[in-house]
Amino acid sequence: GEDVEQSLFLSVREGDSSVINCTYTDSSSTYLYWYKQEPGAGLQLLTYIFSNMDMKQDQRLTVLLNKKDKHLSLRIADTQTGDSAIYFCAEGNNQGGKLIFGQGTELSVKP
Amino acid sequence: DVKVTQSSRYLVKRTGEKVFLECVQDMDHENMFWYRQDPGLGLRLIYFSYDVKMKEKGDIPEGYSVSREKKERFSLILESASTNQTSMYLCASSRLNEKLFFGSGTQLSVL
Repeated sequence: GEDVEQSLFLSVREGDSSVINCTYTDSSSTYLYWYKQEPGAGLQLLTYIFSNMDMKQDQRLTVLLNKKDKHLSLRIADTQTGDSAIYFCAEGNNQGGKLIFGQGTELSVKP
Repeated sequence: DVKVTQSSRYLVKRTGEKVFLECVQDMDHENMFWYRQDPGLGLRLIYFSYDVKMKEKGDIPEGYSVSREKKERFSLILESASTNQTSMYLCASSRLNEKLFFGSGTQLSVL
């Protein structure tokens, strides 16, 4: 079945760039999403990319999609301590909003 | 702003009890979802619903049932709670083929 994989942990220093990677298996994915979960909270949509795009930029966030390799990345520029959270990659294929999530990457930002 | 409200933030139940987790959304969304979140496993879909009185099994429906008698409310039921159902439960809603909005989650402990 469909699968989405992420590494579990990433640690960076404040002011550096963070890159969180994700691989997926479903080639029929229409949208790919990045969600952020702060401690004690639900998931909040950060950004998403349509499968026919290679890149999307939104302020400090850059999403890169390599459809051939089924690889998605999220780059956070000038990472701040407030960016510390768990980041989930998810893929969907227009089947009514049903998404497949990765395991989540816990980003730790050190001052 | 869309609001997805889960009735309890923390719940402690005993093995064998019947447990109800309630979720209400206020944006007239067609779709509603129940996920469970476990460390290292990400989010796994338990059940979802595209309309009132409709339900579909997700990836891990065993030991759970759901009820959607009204469009705004989606309940997750554990008929006989077991310790392996200790987890964070997340409810989400969406319009058809649009992004998911999540509640804050219910941390359930089964003793």
